[in-house]
Amino acid sequence: EDKVVQSPLSLVVHEGDTVTLNCSYEVTNFRSLLWYKQEKKAPTFLFMLTSSGIEKKSGRLSSILDKKELFSILNITATQTGDSAVYLCAVELQTGANNLFFGTGTRLTVIP
Amino acid sequence: NAGVTQTPKFRVLKTGQSMTLLCAQDMNHEYMYWYRQDPGMGLRLIHYSVGEGTTAKGEVPDGYNVSRLKKQNFLLGLESAAPSQTSVYFCASSFDRSYGYTFGSGTRLTVV
Repeated sequence: EDKVVQSPLSLVVHEGDTVTLNCSYEVTNFRSLLWYKQEKKAPTFLFMLTSSGIEKKSGRLSSILDKKELFSILNITATQTGDSAVYLCAVELQTGANNLFFGTGTRLTVIP
Repeated sequence: NAGVTQTPKFRVLKTGQSMTLLCAQDMNHEYMYWYRQDPGMGLRLIHYSVGEGTTAKGEVPDGYNVSRLKKQNFLLGLESAAPSQTSVYFCASSFDRSYGYTFGSGTRLTVV
């Protein structure tokens, strides 16, 4: 059975801290791994990773994929209160079923 | 540019009633999806479409039907609502499999 597991489930940090969110997966026919940020409503796209070892970076956020060990991490440096959200990891499969398998998310709370 | 628009945003149904959720996208995307999000479960795919006139079942299709008569619209129907269908429903679309999905802002459905 395909599954995506995120850890920790929740995290509380102070502004300025650096956090690392984890996503491990066990799926057949892996195609890509995606990270989303979900605040009150719609998840918003952060990164898509398809190759091992290549870091994707956007401002204070960065992510990397390890296809051998089947995991990805999302790093956020110098956290701000606006980073408070649920971060979702999803794995897209190679097969014809064109969909994503989502983890349950990590809830990040950044305290001023 | 509205992106992905879902209507309605909130709805309360009685058990046994029927309703249709509408998803509209103005990005000329081929692929459209319906997900449900439940606490502790993550996002799960209900049905999806890879183009106008096509639909396919996702992970949790039972109790739902869909139609994609026009490329820009993807309808999700509940023929006889049950309390187990209380959830937040998200529609998403993508240009092709190489792009991240764009999500709508969600519909919160409560079945009493």
